Amino acid sequence: KAGVTQTPRYLIKTRGQQVTLSCSPISGHRSVSWYQQTPGQGLQFLFEYFSETQRNKGNFPGRFSGRQFSNSRSEMNVSTLELGDSALYLCASSYTSGSSYEQYFGPGTRLTVT
Amino acid sequence: GQQLNQSPQSMFIQEGEDVSMNCTSSSIFNTWLWYKQDPGEGPVLLIALYKAGELTSNGRLTAQFGITRKDSFLNISASIPSDVGIYFCAGRATSGTYKYIFGTGTRLKVLA
Repeated sequence: KAGVTQTPRYLIKTRGQQVTLSCSPISGHRSVSWYQQTPGQGLQFLFEYFSETQRNKGNFPGRFSGRQFSNSRSEMNVSTLELGDSALYLCASSYTSGSSYEQYFGPGTRLTVT
Repeated sequence: GQQLNQSPQSMFIQEGEDVSMNCTSSSIFNTWLWYKQDPGEGPVLLIALYKAGELTSNGRLTAQFGITRKDSFLNISASIPSDVGIYFCAGRATSGTYKYIFGTGTRLKVLA
């Protein structure tokens, strides 16, 4: 089956602008989570959605928001971009059944803020 | 942001050798996860652990959920060149401020 897809793969924005990133999960996966990866801070959890509801949230400012649609596709929005928002943004879709847990990451969106 | 202490930071090993890395935290977690990330790609989930003391294998990889619930270990046996990459641990908690925290990563290089 098709993997997790993220669009766009690369993006360059200017400080103060806003950006929307998209993630399409693996078919049948209802949970989507987002992460930020930078050389300095490493991998940081942003938020997790399940059936269109935010289930968990990391320690990021309110400029970072997300949503999930009825088809499980998810979007992440960052408003008023700052230079420090430059990072690789990863999404992952997951599925839990009993004691079985599977999670797959997408290739990420590389965001550069100038 | 908060990160878990993961050691070693990097290691060079000979092909065929066994590798051990660990992750420690000041917080208790309900789940420990281990990932591998290759350059230019997203992390790949290797092993998930759900109970204190649990020992789980995935091929040549074995991971353990520490008894205190504050640490986890990953062992790779008989390493091969394709084991090269960065390995991350992650702890998940169902309560508290930090629900999902990643380790600082262990960069593994295998010498053929």
